[in-house]
Order: sequence, then structure tokens, then C-alpha cells
Amino acid sequence: QSVLTQPPSVSAAPGQKVTISCSGSSSNIANNYVSWYQQLPGTAPKLLIYENNKRPSGIPDRFSGSKSGTSATLGITGLQTGDEADYYCGTWDNTLSAGVFGGGTKLTVL
Amino acid sequence: QVQLVESGGGVVQPGRSLRLSCAASGFIFSNYDIHWVRQAPGKGLEWVAVISYDGSKKYFADSVKGRFTISRDNSKNTLYLQMNSLRAEDTAVYYCARDGKADTAELDYWGQGTLVTVSS
Repeated sequence: QSVLTQPPSVSAAPGQKVTISCSGSSSNIANNYVSWYQQLPGTAPKLLIYENNKRPSGIPDRFSGSKSGTSATLGITGLQTGDEADYYCGTWDNTLSAGVFGGGTKLTVL
Repeated sequence: QVQLVESGGGVVQPGRSLRLSCAASGFIFSNYDIHWVRQAPGKGLEWVAVISYDGSKKYFADSVKGRFTISRDNSKNTLYLQMNSLRAEDTAVYYCARDGKADTAELDYWGQGTLVTVSS
């Protein structure tokens, strides 16, 4: 059971938009930055969003992040088949004094 | 360019020990906190441990506390994970990852991972 809660899967057609939610608590999301990671099949995770809504160099603006209270959301617009991957949210938990991840969401582009 | 390269994985019997290494290059290693994150086969990411840039602070997941230790040698740009009393549930790919901003767990660079299999 992950500390952060994500939907197990989402799907949408090419060109459409999808959002992935990440629910936490006052000990983690509410008081810390949230980051998002993309893991393509057979590869290491890659940072997609940091500080809730910032994109590292090279990440297209089709990817966006937001945070409100104890929840965060990853948005992906203009879906491409190459976006099919597992997506994870992550942050620090002040009560646990530990890093925490969501259980991951598998994106399928139909 | 930033590179993190893990090594030391393999097959080990339950109850035995293993030490993983993570060699860093392309950045000032001694300026960054570094994490270990693992992923069991077919499962999600699990945070394991973090060590501060100077080695003064260390935190562990409850699942490994008391069995795993984390250390670093800034003169060798290398991070270590000493894993003792290994269990079947420790079987996973272990990644080291750089914390892009201290105390945030924002992991901006990851290694390719090293597979640890605990089996008799």
C-alpha cells in the first residue's frame, strides 16, 4: 500500500488529453514539492515535473503539473503512442522522514 | 553529462549480505544528496534510503531499517548501499538517483539500475 494514491491505469486516444491524480496528506504533498516521473518499458525512471509544476530541460510543454492541498495532478496533452509508460508521483514525507512514491499509473494510448 | 552507474548486483542467498555501489560523474558529487530507490519485478517504485551531501544525515525506509546502511566516499565520487540479512522481498532492481534540490526528494538523474535477486 503506497503512501501516495494514484489510479492504476488511464487511457485515451492519440491527440487527446489525460490527467493522472496523486493523493497524499498534510505530512507529504501539502507541505513539500511534488515531482513526477515517466518510466518507459525496460528503462529507468526519468524526471518529468519537479517543484510541482516545472519541467526539466528537454521535457515538452505537453506535460504539466499542478498541486492543490494534499493532491497533485499530472496533465498530458496531444497524446502520442510514445507516451505509453508508467507514471509515478513522488515527494518527501515529514512524518516518516522518508521519500514516498505513488503506486504508479499505466498510461495506454489507444 | 551527469552519469550514475550502479554495480554489485547479483544472486544472493537469504540471510546473506551484498554491497551495491553507485559511481557518479559529470557533476560535483559532494554537493548533492543521493537516494537509493528499488523496483521489485513487475511492481512500482519503492524509496529505500538517502544520504546527505556530506554524509551527516541518513534516512531509511522502514522495510530496510536496521538491515541496510548507506554511505558515500566523496573523494571517489561513489555511493554505497550495504545490504545485510537479505530477504526474498528485497529482490529488485536498485537505482541510485541524485536529489536535484536538497531535502525535496526530487530525483533529477537516475542510474540504469542493478538487479539483486535473493534466492536459495
